[in-house]
Amino acid sequence: DIVLTQSPVLAVSLGQRATISCRASQSVSISSINLMHWYQQKPGQQPKLLIYRASNLASGIPARFSGSGSGTDFTLTIDPVQADDIAAYYCQQSRESPFTFGSGTKLEIK
Amino acid sequence: EVQLVESGGGLVQPGRSLKLSCAASGFTFSDYYMAWVRQAPTKGLEWVASISYDGGSTYYRDSVKGRFTISRDNAKSSLYLQMDSLRSEDTATYYCTTLGDWFAYWGQGTLVTVSS
Repeated sequence: DIVLTQSPVLAVSLGQRATISCRASQSVSISSINLMHWYQQKPGQQPKLLIYRASNLASGIPARFSGSGSGTDFTLTIDPVQADDIAAYYCQQSRESPFTFGSGTKLEIK
Repeated sequence: EVQLVESGGGLVQPGRSLKLSCAASGFTFSDYYMAWVRQAPTKGLEWVASISYDGGSTYYRDSVKGRFTISRDNAKSSLYLQMDSLRSEDTATYYCTTLGDWFAYWGQGTLVTVSS
């Protein structure tokens, strides 16, 4: 299985930039298609799709969320961070079955 | 508006069975692969099973193969998960999701607790 590694916690000040990383145990890209996706999960809620295929913003998601990366290294950026962004963020790969998720990064406010 | 509403969770003893349901609305159900994703208390997300548009192909994670069965009824816009021989490690909130390369839409989840 492809293992996705995320840092458990990231503390950022309001109005600053948050950079959340996800490293895959093997490449999740096919040609120019990066099969990495990002979700936000607030406490007590279901996950919500933020970014698909590494850099595409899902419908209704604010433009202060963005994604980048290829191969094994991917980044979710939130700029500027707002109080409403307090949540866990998960990466997920669809390069091969079983589809796997990272263990999540909890975004905290400094 | 896309809606996915799960039901059927609850407290069940180890070794017993439970069937989850998911009612879909707001989109053409038969146009989507569907999946179940679970989340153990205070833990991360874990894909459980997927099913093709017409139900002809199904996929499972190794730990549930032979115990869980995913199915769908396109006429009723419904997804199901039959869970047999339940174990304590199956305790989780189970989410119904649409599946492309990514999990676009999610239900609110239904909690399954396996305990004696």
